[in-house]
Amino acid sequence: DGGITQSPKYLFRKEGQNVTLSCEQNLNHDAMYWYRQDPGQGLRLIYYSQIVNDFQKGDIAEGYSVSREKKESFPLTVTSAQKNPTAFYLCASRVRASGGTNTGELFFGEGSRLTVL
Amino acid sequence: GENVEQHPSTLSVQEGDSAVIKCTYSDSASNYFPWYKQELGKGPQLIIDIRSNVGEKKDQRIAVTLNKTAKHFSLHITETQPEDSAVYFCAASRGYNQGGKLIFGQGTELSVKP
Repeated sequence: DGGITQSPKYLFRKEGQNVTLSCEQNLNHDAMYWYRQDPGQGLRLIYYSQIVNDFQKGDIAEGYSVSREKKESFPLTVTSAQKNPTAFYLCASRVRASGGTNTGELFFGEGSRLTVL
Repeated sequence: GENVEQHPSTLSVQEGDSAVIKCTYSDSASNYFPWYKQELGKGPQLIIDIRSNVGEKKDQRIAVTLNKTAKHFSLHITETQPEDSAVYFCAASRGYNQGGKLIFGQGTELSVKP
């Protein structure tokens, strides 16, 4: 089955520690995204990547870092610089935008819930 | 900056009734408007979308309407069922086909009571 796998599903960390969330997709999608979900605030874009070895900051990139060394993988590191890291993190992917009429549905993983103790 | 406002934040209806969720957007150049459904413990899933050249789109019990002049769009669910209970997100994008970002609303938690 094609899809997006996020791990771990639940993660606890102490203040001052970095943590890396995994996102793997086997949909052969070029574009991948990381969103943060907080109650009452919808989904906010952290980072996105349209192609391997390239990525851009989203609206709330401070305190986060990413890499895109392989097409199928887009890990997110939550660094100690992120002031309020407790949240639900969602990874998503879509086909690369080509400017045509196919809008390219955004597919989401099941999320990772990070709690800072 | 670009913004999408979604109302209400919570909505409770009786099974069989209709539910309406409304969103307004700030960027008049937005031309793609998807709706996502998020069930408990899962990621959001696209349920319907509409482009700016269309005023209404329907898929079985769900429909979306778009008013470009007023910059708002709505999701309509008829004959609601308990399995419709979820969080619904609207979104808007300028140039989504060219890689434009989706701007999401705050979400609406829909509860359908049997």
